[in-house]
Amino acid sequence: QVQLQESGPGLVKPSETLSLTCTVSGGSIRSFYWSWIRQPPGKGLECIGYIYHSGSTNYNPSLKSRVSISVDTSKNQFSLKLYSVTAADTAVYYCARLLPIVGTTTHFDYWGQGTLVTVSS
Amino acid sequence: SYVLTQPPSVSVAPGQTARITCGGNNTGSKTVHWYQQKPGQAPVLVVYDDSDRPSGIPERLSGSNSGNTATLTISRVEAGDEAEYFCQVWDRSSDHPVFGGGTRLTVL
Repeated sequence: QVQLQESGPGLVKPSETLSLTCTVSGGSIRSFYWSWIRQPPGKGLECIGYIYHSGSTNYNPSLKSRVSISVDTSKNQFSLKLYSVTAADTAVYYCARLLPIVGTTTHFDYWGQGTLVTVSS
Repeated sequence: SYVLTQPPSVSVAPGQTARITCGGNNTGSKTVHWYQQKPGQAPVLVVYDDSDRPSGIPERLSGSNSGNTATLTISRVEAGDEAEYFCQVWDRSSDHPVFGGGTRLTVL
């Protein structure tokens, strides 16, 4: 059974960088896409971006200028950096596995439990 | 960009059938996936590829997709079905997922 676990600071100051890591266990990080999704309190889901084990990435256009996702296959981990954060970036951040696109579709089959990151001074 | 619209809330009595809709432009031409999110928990995939269920998801949950609306149907609703439900499609133009706004299912 694949399991994902987010880790990182729960509090980040405005204008600083949010950094989170997702550790994958129970399976290899190879052959899949790995994503970061966030959910502001009381709101819906937003995909921040995703990365293939080879390192190729695709970011949400609305966040692209502030986001970086990287992967460390030796540690079975992938990471998120979100720069110049504001209060609007306060959310629960999830990591999730994204299946390879088949035809024209794909979906997320495994999710981490999520971690709340609050942006506040 | 593609938009999916869900009703904010649906209420149903135990034992009845709940239908949660997900509307979009020609949704029937896309493949819809559904997630269940209970309070304080991560989303769980309950239906994928319009109508398939992952192992462990009861047959009471089923999906359909036609025209401009996809529907998640929960038969014989139980208290444990109370949750937020999100639909999702894949936008090939951006190669990014699109999520519906979510529907809160309340079991009366």
